[in-house]
Amino acid sequence: GDSVTQMEGPVTLSEEACLTINCTYTATGYPSLFWYVQYPGEGLQLLLKATKADDKGSNKGFEATYRKETTSFHLEKGSVQVSDSAVYFCALSERDNEKLTFGTGTRLTIIP
Amino acid sequence: GAVVSQHPSWVICKSGTSVKIECRSLDFQATTMFWYRQFPKQSLMLMATSNEGSKATYEQGVEKDKFLINHASLTLSTLTVTSAHPEDSSFYICSARDAPRAFFGQGTRLTVV
Repeated sequence: GDSVTQMEGPVTLSEEACLTINCTYTATGYPSLFWYVQYPGEGLQLLLKATKADDKGSNKGFEATYRKETTSFHLEKGSVQVSDSAVYFCALSERDNEKLTFGTGTRLTIIP
Repeated sequence: GAVVSQHPSWVICKSGTSVKIECRSLDFQATTMFWYRQFPKQSLMLMATSNEGSKATYEQGVEKDKFLINHASLTLSTLTVTSAHPEDSSFYICSARDAPRAFFGQGTRLTVV
């Protein structure tokens, strides 16, 4: 079945540091890939998505590229801010936003 | 953006009692809602797909009689954990589709003592 393996946290970085959160997946077909973010006290929000190989999703300075050859969708940001502190979930669905298969989540804390 | 409200945010109940969790789509109609469960340091696992006006579709291994789902209207789905036991303690999250996107509630922390 489908699965998502996500970099374990927690991750603590200083403000303006570079961020990479690794995510790899296993799927039978050609899934859509997502990164969701959960800020403290709030629900999950879609951060970015990519629906086919070599697509790059981007939002709020975050980027992730759908790499079919390495079955990866790593989340990157060049300069993190304190407001980026949250839990980040990598996810996939075989059909766009139907059943989602999630990774375990990575808690990111940015210190000033 | 669309808002999904989940209530309560947290609940503590005694073993053997039932707990109802509500999931509401506040500004859109949702024909399909999803219920997830998350154990500590584990993924969100899909429990069931709730369809308005019909029976929910449960994932393999999820007990239908224990986790009752009702989706009586286009804006409300409820999950009732019946005869709760300590092993049911978990974080439950609902999601509602406003195609093509899915929106998530804040989650409910259930603790059974």
